[in-house]
Amino acid sequence: DIQMTQSPSTLSASVGDRVTITCRASQSISSWLAWYQQKPGKAPKLLIYKASGLESGVPSRFSGSGSGTEFTLTISSLQPDDFATYYCQQYNTYPFTFGPGTKVDIK
Amino acid sequence: EVQLVESGGGLVKPGGSLRLSCAVSGFTFSSYSMNWVRQAPGKGLEWVSSISSRSSYIYYADSVKGRFTISRDNAKNSLFLQMSSLRAEDTAVYYCARDRYYYDSSALYWGQGTLVTVSS
Repeated sequence: DIQMTQSPSTLSASVGDRVTITCRASQSISSWLAWYQQKPGKAPKLLIYKASGLESGVPSRFSGSGSGTEFTLTISSLQPDDFATYYCQQYNTYPFTFGPGTKVDIK
Repeated sequence: EVQLVESGGGLVKPGGSLRLSCAVSGFTFSSYSMNWVRQAPGKGLEWVSSISSRSSYIYYADSVKGRFTISRDNAKNSLFLQMSSLRAEDTAVYYCARDRYYYDSSALYWGQGTLVTVSS
């Protein structure tokens, strides 16, 4: 199975900060990586598909990059609504696997 | 409007069985692969199972293989997860989710989740 890791596990930031989260796969997954945002008690929300595709309706301050085994999610200017937990997921090979999550909280 | 509504969760004893359902509307159900994803209390997301649009391809996480069965009824716009030999570690909120497109298996639409608690 493909293992996914994320760093950091927790990130403390302020409104307006540029934030970067890293996701690594244990083997190449080409560009088959998604990023999700989840708030407490809510279902996850798809932000980025195929490593860099911005899902419709998602603010342009979110961007994704990478291919192979290393990927990043960047929030260019953190907004109050962005404090949440972020997960990466590989969907190159079954079983699909999620990263452990990165919690972005208020500094 | 796309809607996915899970039901069937509840309290079950270890070793017991439960059948989850996901009723969908707002899109052509028979054209999309579907998934179950779970989240244990306070923990991260875990992909559980996927089924292709016509049930030709089915996949499971190792943690549920042999105990859970995914199925769908395209005529009734419904997805199911039959869970048996349940264990305490199966306690989680279970979400159904739809693939983004037929060629992209990221999960675009999600239900609100249904809680399964396995406890004596």
